[in-house]
Amino acid sequence: GNSVTQMEGPVTLSEEAFLTINCTYTATGYPSLFWYVQYPGEGLQLLLKATKADDKGSNKGFEATYRKETTSFHLEKGSVQVSDSAVYFCALPLNSGGSNYKLTFGKGTLLTVNP
Amino acid sequence: EAQVTQNPRYLITVTGKKLTVTCSQNMNHEYMSWYRQDPGLGLRQIYYSMNVEVTDKGDVPEGYKVSRKEKRNFPLILESPSPNQTSLYFCASSLGGTSGRLWTDTQYFGPGTRLTVL
Repeated sequence: GNSVTQMEGPVTLSEEAFLTINCTYTATGYPSLFWYVQYPGEGLQLLLKATKADDKGSNKGFEATYRKETTSFHLEKGSVQVSDSAVYFCALPLNSGGSNYKLTFGKGTLLTVNP
Repeated sequence: EAQVTQNPRYLITVTGKKLTVTCSQNMNHEYMSWYRQDPGLGLRQIYYSMNVEVTDKGDVPEGYKVSRKEKRNFPLILESPSPNQTSLYFCASSLGGTSGRLWTDTQYFGPGTRLTVL
């Protein structure tokens, strides 16, 4: 099945710094790719997604581009804020098609942004 | 408001005492799933359901049961809880199934249930 490898961190940045969290995947075909975010004490919520190669997902100043050449989906933000402190998960379907749908997640990257 | 709800949010119990964690969604989603989250292990899928009366094992199903008798509800049952089931549990749902968009769907997560088994 498909798999994802994510930079584990933790990552600590100062406010307004540039953020990159690396995510690479192995997959059959071109499955959709997702970034989820988990704020302290909450469940996961979708941050952004890309459904085909070369798509760029974006939301709340975060961006990630689906790059099939490098099998990557790195998360970036130009200027982080304290409110971005959270755990970030890269994810994709375990199998590319078929009926036994499962979503597989990276281990998560804890981001702490200091004022 | 579209949401996934879980109850209880926190539970402390003892080994062997049967418990049920409820999950309900109000978005008419066909697909529902349970995950557990543990430090250093990330999120692991326990069970999932493609539709009413259709369930299947995830990565770590041992010690858990599920049922899907109604579209909106997907309870997680621990018949005889053990300390190694102490974890943070999340229910999730997505449109899925016959919509034909399952592989691009967003999963919506509940707020989590923190379970401690003594």
